[in-house]
Amino acid sequence: AQTVTQSQPEMSVQEAETVTLSCTYDTSENNYYLFWYKQPPSRQMILVIRQEAYKQQNATENRFSVNFQKAAKSFSLKISDSQLGDTAMYFCAFMSLNTGTASKLTFGTGTRLQVTL
Amino acid sequence: KAGVTQTPRYLIKTRGQQVTLSCSPISGHRSVSWYQQTPGQGLQFLFEYFSETQRNKGNFPGRFSGRQFSNSRSEMNVSTLELGDSALYLCASSPRGAEDTQYFGPGTRLTVL
Repeated sequence: AQTVTQSQPEMSVQEAETVTLSCTYDTSENNYYLFWYKQPPSRQMILVIRQEAYKQQNATENRFSVNFQKAAKSFSLKISDSQLGDTAMYFCAFMSLNTGTASKLTFGTGTRLQVTL
Repeated sequence: KAGVTQTPRYLIKTRGQQVTLSCSPISGHRSVSWYQQTPGQGLQFLFEYFSETQRNKGNFPGRFSGRQFSNSRSEMNVSTLELGDSALYLCASSPRGAEDTQYFGPGTRLTVL
């Protein structure tokens, strides 16, 4: 079974600054995806960024980028130029590509990010 | 294109009752997954349906069941409600061939009294 660990329950960052959220995972599989989801106070879960495990290049989406270290099973999210609208709960998630477990997201416990003025 | 819709958005039930939640996926999406979110257990996978067939199931008791219709709309049912079933129930849909990309609905907040 896979596990996803987010060791930072809460973080705070000032507007326009950069913040990094940590995530580690444990799996014996080789083919999988990793995701960061954002859940603002509205509770709507929004996909921020995804990473295919077979790709060495780190994924980037505008101000969001990841540092994927496959051997260390680490998947951190960097938010640059933080904005007030980035205030939300951030979840790291894992999805296996193996038949029978595909489409199942395993989530971490989340990191609550507060962006301040 | 309209997003994933879930009805109702809020629901209050009492212990022992049963409840049915509905999820309409994004048009053209055939895979629907359900998740339970609670403060204590976090986000947990319930089950996934594709083309009216349950393809994957999480570790929940048999009181939790679901189904999918030919138009890809899905329902989940919880029988004999317990206080611990109070949660936000999230539904997500995925396009065919890209089941790794899940688009979530706004959720149904279920309170069991």
